[in-house]
Amino acid sequence: KAGVTQTPRYLIKTRGQQVTLSCSPISGHRSVSWYQQTPGQGLQFLFEYFSETQRNKGNFPGRFSGRQFSNSRSEMNVSTLELGDSALYLCASSSRGTANTEAFFGQGTRLTVV
Amino acid sequence: AQRVTQPEKLLSVFKGAPVELKCNYSYSGSPELFWYVQYSRQRLQLLLRHISRESIKGFTADLNKGETSFHLKKPFAQEEDSAMYYCALDDSGGGADGLTFGKGTHLIIQP
Repeated sequence: KAGVTQTPRYLIKTRGQQVTLSCSPISGHRSVSWYQQTPGQGLQFLFEYFSETQRNKGNFPGRFSGRQFSNSRSEMNVSTLELGDSALYLCASSSRGTANTEAFFGQGTRLTVV
Repeated sequence: AQRVTQPEKLLSVFKGAPVELKCNYSYSGSPELFWYVQYSRQRLQLLLRHISRESIKGFTADLNKGETSFHLKKPFAQEEDSAMYYCALDDSGGGADGLTFGKGTHLIIQP
């Protein structure tokens, strides 16, 4: 079956702009999580959505938001971009809520803020 | 708050030598521990989890609750093992905190 798909793969934005990233999970997976990966901080949890509800949020400012649609696809939005938001944003899907909590990752969206 | 520590940013060993990637965690409950691996130009993928107690690609990891460790071991390293390895912790209660990752260890297997 198809893996987790993230679009776009690369983005360049200027400070102050906003950006929307998209994630299509594996078919049948209802949980989608987002992570930010940077060389200095590593992988940091942003938030998780399950059945269109945000279940938890990591320690990120309110500029970072997301949503999940009825087909489990998820979007992540970052407003008022800062240079420090440059990172690889990873999406993962899982069938959380069952015994199998393996997370399957997408290839990520590389965001560069200039 | 839960925390995962991987003390080595870089580990270089020769082919055929034993490998041990260290992982320590802090968590008050009963965690579920994972090792994820990222090969060059590939996506992050699950290598193994403690609950399944299996060996994948020759790697094993034992959860030591007394030492709060989940070290990854392989008796004989192969060149194709070169990759970034991440230890991760999940709230086994099915909580929604997401995975907490260590900062990763870059394993290089020299020929």
